[in-house]
Amino acid sequence: GAVVSQHPSRVICKSGTSVKIECRSLDFQATTMFWYRQFPKQSLMLMATSNEGSKATYEQGVEKDKFLINHASLTLSTLTVTSAHPEDSSFYICSARDHGTGRGEQYFGPGTRLTVT
Amino acid sequence: AQKVTQAQTEISVVEKEDVTLDCVYETRDTTYYLFWYKQPPSGELVFLIRRNSFDEQNEISGRYSWNFQKSTSSFNFTITASQVVDSAVYFCALSEHNTNAGKSTFGDGTTLTVKP
Repeated sequence: GAVVSQHPSRVICKSGTSVKIECRSLDFQATTMFWYRQFPKQSLMLMATSNEGSKATYEQGVEKDKFLINHASLTLSTLTVTSAHPEDSSFYICSARDHGTGRGEQYFGPGTRLTVT
Repeated sequence: AQKVTQAQTEISVVEKEDVTLDCVYETRDTTYYLFWYKQPPSGELVFLIRRNSFDEQNEISGRYSWNFQKSTSSFNFTITASQVVDSAVYFCALSEHNTNAGKSTFGDGTTLTVKP
């Protein structure tokens, strides 16, 4: 089946610094990728839809200047958490939609656990 | 708007018992997809099944089975003869095909604990 990778899997950073998370579709092209956030013991909440070659679409309440998304190619989307604070500590999961199948199939990455100290 | 409800927050069973996880959804689209994912303590989402709105056939895969009923907007998941390794958080999700660019809405999850 299709594979989506995320890098890094785990990152610890200091408050005020920026962190970039990569999401790659390894064996298919994804014009659309999604970024989710999951707090401990909670569900996944969609943050934004990343569209290749255009601006991302952010969900209500998500600061676009804080969570920068760049979908530079059909296989790569990046999420940059700018000026991270402890409250940004969370599990970030991306998914990629395989438009080639036409079935709305979404494949999830393994997630990135961000800890801001 | 799409919505997924998993009313059971936590379920605890003893090994070898059967257990059913409930999922009720709301959508205005006629074409949509329903999913179940397993999230073990490691955090990675493990895909279990996808069902499209035109396929109401129930499915069985080993000890897992799914009951999709459009009339009640439910997509329930049953584990037969549960095992300790089944302990995890299970999420039901809905993705609308035409609207919302295919993004998924997740239920709050059901934490299943299988005791030896």
